Amino acid sequence: DVKVTQSSRYLVKRTGEKVFLECVQDMDHENMFWYRQDPGLGLRLIYFSYDVKMKEKGDIPEGYSVSREKKERFSLILESASTNQTSMYLCASSSTGREKLFFGSGTQLSVL
Amino acid sequence: SQKIEQNSEALNIQEGKTATLTCNYTNYSPAYLQWYRQDPGRGPVFLLLIRENEKEKRKERLKVTFDTTLKQSLFHITASQPADSATYLCAPYPGGYQKVTFGTGTKLQVIP
Repeated sequence: DVKVTQSSRYLVKRTGEKVFLECVQDMDHENMFWYRQDPGLGLRLIYFSYDVKMKEKGDIPEGYSVSREKKERFSLILESASTNQTSMYLCASSSTGREKLFFGSGTQLSVL
Repeated sequence: SQKIEQNSEALNIQEGKTATLTCNYTNYSPAYLQWYRQDPGRGPVFLLLIRENEKEKRKERLKVTFDTTLKQSLFHITASQPADSATYLCAPYPGGYQKVTFGTGTKLQVIP
């Protein structure tokens, strides 16, 4: 069965820390996505990637960066975590057509 | 600017009835429209996709319609069951290398 794995289910960090969220997919998908989800705001796209070392900004990239060195792995980096980055972070992957996204279980990040 | 609107209020429905959820979009020209289900604390799960040249798509108790003139998709669950209680998300997708953007979702509660 297809699988998108996020490294942590819950994470607590301090303001100003550098935070890495890792996502691995086992479906040989070209596309990978990072979203954050907040009550009342829904899923918002942070960054996506359609190939190794390629990245595109989504709707809310400020304060975030990404890395895709290998096809199966897409990392989200918070350079200096802030309290307004407390959120549920969801990673997804899809084949070339993007007709169907497969999501991970999410990482609930709290920045104190 | 682009906008995706779903019923912002929760939808409560009696078991056995048909639930109808709405997805309206503006300033989009989607080639596809995707529907997902999300349970609390989990990532969204793909349910159905309908293409712009399709009026209707069915899968078991699920039916989706797509009206590109009205810029609207309707998602129906017939013979609803308490297990159908979840949040349902729509994602109009333009195709190609475009980003996949979601509506805020509609929370459905099926009452026994």
